[in-house]
Amino acid sequence: NAGVTQTPKFQVLKTGQSMTLQCAQDMNHNSMYWYRQDPGMGLRLIYYSASEGTTDKGEVPNGYNVSRLNKREFSLRLESAAPSQTSVYFCASLGGQSTYEQYFGPGTRLTVT
Amino acid sequence: QKEVEQNSGPLSVPEGAIASLNCTYSDRGSQSFFWYRQYSGKSPELIMSIYSNGDKEDGRFTAQLNKASQYVSLLIRDSQPSDSATYLCAVQGGSEKLVFGKGTKLTVNP
Repeated sequence: NAGVTQTPKFQVLKTGQSMTLQCAQDMNHNSMYWYRQDPGMGLRLIYYSASEGTTDKGEVPNGYNVSRLNKREFSLRLESAAPSQTSVYFCASLGGQSTYEQYFGPGTRLTVT
Repeated sequence: QKEVEQNSGPLSVPEGAIASLNCTYSDRGSQSFFWYRQYSGKSPELIMSIYSNGDKEDGRFTAQLNKASQYVSLLIRDSQPSDSATYLCAVQGGSEKLVFGKGTKLTVNP
């Protein structure tokens, strides 16, 4: 049982390049989330998905797209990376509707130059 | 805008002391409250959940909730150097979303 996994762990992009961050969970959770964490800003929600086939914007969705491929996988795409998207990205999944406990993946550290 | 406020710290305590971390929240309708621990360079790890007013104890950790005052706290007894980390308070922000505070950095000095 790997929990929540993310790939890649590190990535360096040039401005304007695109990439997809991958997230998968093996806990049969319905809801999944993408956050970014920046110094002094805390964790901010980018997008979330309450179930397969549904996605909703969070606090900071601009510049990102998401895809809930199936119940296990939730990907985050940067179409045209900008230096302001330099951050650590975390994927999380929800342990159950009655608890609202979220469990995090190990993160992807992205640098855009 | 739902907000969660924490003292940014850093909070420094000697080994063996009690560390007290505090959090206030703005949404009076919130029902679920969480404490996460985040070591430098790592992801947040859930260490405590609390849903009812009062205290909840788990080993050296005690979470305290006062919904009337919109206040959540985490006490760490017999603090150890391995407790040095940033502690994030999170509050249910509606539906299945959490709102996180910016975290309090704790340093436990040997």
